[in-house]
Formats: sequence, structure tokens, C-alpha cells
Amino acid sequence: DTAVSQTPKYLVTQMGNDKSIKCEQNLGHDTMYWYKQDSKKFLKIMFSYNNKELIINETVPNRFSPKSPDKAHLNLHINSLELGDSAVYFCASSQGLQGQFFGPGTRLTVL
Amino acid sequence: AQTVTQSQPEMSVQEAETVTLSCTYDTSENNYYLFWYKQPPSRQMILVIRQEAYKQQNATENRFSVNFQKAAKSFSLKISDSQLGDTAMYFCAFMNHGSSNTGKLIFGQGTTLQVKP
Repeated sequence: DTAVSQTPKYLVTQMGNDKSIKCEQNLGHDTMYWYKQDSKKFLKIMFSYNNKELIINETVPNRFSPKSPDKAHLNLHINSLELGDSAVYFCASSQGLQGQFFGPGTRLTVL
Repeated sequence: AQTVTQSQPEMSVQEAETVTLSCTYDTSENNYYLFWYKQPPSRQMILVIRQEAYKQQNATENRFSVNFQKAAKSFSLKISDSQLGDTAMYFCAFMNHGSSNTGKLIFGQGTTLQVKP
């Protein structure tokens, strides 16, 4: 059973399109996150939700909109995709301060 | 603002040998957590080990152990009896535990470790 799952794992799209990445965790965790890993493998937090409430928004362009329908899901919607959005996007979840569990990542390629 | 620095972009080690990966961090906080994550070629991020700053005892998980030097703000990872499956990129990460804790991880730049047969 996958603890944190993301779909799709690969996403190739044209500039200007709108796309979504879905994330689900079955660990019963209260907090979920989105991280971006750039081409140099640097990881940076984008968003965090705790019990469906946004608690972190790290100066991400407003073309990125997270949505948490319930505490087990945190989806990421991206409008008007740009070349610079190409990256690997990771979803993660945690309960308390035990460390975060990551999904398999979604490699987004914008052409 | 907190920062995490991994000064070794790449390292290599012979199978069965021991290797140490370095990490330093900068913070004015007193309560925090430190982590090492492993990212193999499969891309999956795997939690290797966790250290609470208020604990003086160094964390250990099987072949993985840390050397936590709070005063020096240093948090190195030692891998004993290296195995081919340890080949991966390793990330050091910091998480604040103070009143401003949001649970976010601040990552270092990563160290690519190659285990050679």
C-alpha cells in the first residue's frame, strides 16, 4: 500500500496550458506539503496545509493554487504554465514532528 | 532565516567502507530537528535519520549514524559498511520546532554518493 501517492508521475504539456497534480496520503497525517525540486536538484517548500487550512505559502506565483478537499488530499493546480515551471514536484505528509513522508514525485515538462 | 549547507557536491566510497557526509546549518533557534533524506535514482525521497536538537545523544539507524555538534551547528551522516544500494543523493534538512514552527523542511543542496564495487 502506497503511503503518499501522486498522479501523474510524468506530465508533458505546452506553455500556456493549465494542469493539475493530485496527491493522496493514507497515513492519517494532519499536514501535507508541496515541494519543488529544480533542475539542480534543489528542494524548496511551496505550500503546506494542516487539516485543510493553508499554513505555508512561500511566495509562489499565484498561477499555482493548492486545494485540499480533505486532510488526506492536497492537489496542485497550475495555470498558464511557463518553461520555468519544469521541475519535479513532490507531495509530502507528516504528523507532528516525526519527519515528512514523500510521494514519488511528478516530473513536469513544459515545452 | 535558517540555511543548510552541504559543501560536498559529490563523494564516492568503496563497498563495505565507511563514508561521512557533511552538513552545517545556521539558525538562531534553540529548538529544532535535523534530518537526512536519501534520493536514489528512482527519485523517491526516503527519510534516513532524524535528530532532535535538545538530545545530546547522536541518532543511529542500523548502518546510519549522525555526529551532531550543536555548538558548531554541524550534522554529519556516517554510513558504515557501505552497500551498492546506498548510491543516491543525500539531503540534509532543518525544521524549526519553535513557536513559529510550520513543519517546513529547509534543505541543503545535496551530496551525490557513489558506492563502488
